[in-house]
Amino acid sequence: AQTVTQSQPEMSVQEAETVTLSCTYDTSESDYYLFWYKQPPSRQMILVIRQEAYKQQNATENRFSVNFQKAAKSFSLKISDSQLGDAAMYFCAYRVSGTYKYIFGTGTRLKVLA
Amino acid sequence: NAGVTQTPKFQVLKTGQSMTLQCAQDMNHNSMYWYRQDPGMGLRLIYYSASEGTTDKGEVPNGYNVSRLNKREFSLRLESAAPSQTSVYFCASSEGTGGFGNTIYFGEGSWLTVV
Repeated sequence: AQTVTQSQPEMSVQEAETVTLSCTYDTSESDYYLFWYKQPPSRQMILVIRQEAYKQQNATENRFSVNFQKAAKSFSLKISDSQLGDAAMYFCAYRVSGTYKYIFGTGTRLKVLA
Repeated sequence: NAGVTQTPKFQVLKTGQSMTLQCAQDMNHNSMYWYRQDPGMGLRLIYYSASEGTTDKGEVPNGYNVSRLNKREFSLRLESAAPSQTSVYFCASSEGTGGFGNTIYFGEGSWLTVV
């Protein structure tokens, strides 16, 4: 079965510091996509970053970057220079290429301390 | 650019009542989705529509029906609401053309409470 595991229900980071959120997934597929979504208190789901499994290079979007380890089936999110506005639930998601089905993890709540 | 718009944003229903959640997207996307979000369970797919005229069941379709009214609109209907359907519902859409075209974009969510 395809599963996505976020083992950290809650994380805290000091403002301006760096934090890494973990995500592991289980799949037998070779062609797939990985995503991180942010859900602030407003509840809107916002795409943060995405990665194609066949690309070795880690994706980067401004202060957000990923550490994609395909063999280990790991897809962690690093947030640099954390800001108060980064406080939110973060969801890792996985999708097999050519399908419409996304598998979401249960989320990590990130608190940013001033 | 409105993106994905859902209505209503909040609704309280009595057990056994019916209601329809409306969703519209203005991004000319082919595919649309309905998810529900429950505490500790992430998001689960209820139904999706790969393209206009088609709908398919997701993980948790029981108790729901959907209609893809046209390319823009995808509605979710609860025929006889049950307390177990208390949840936050998200509509989403994607281009549906493969690759990152299947990145989904979400609406703001609809809070539904069944008492």
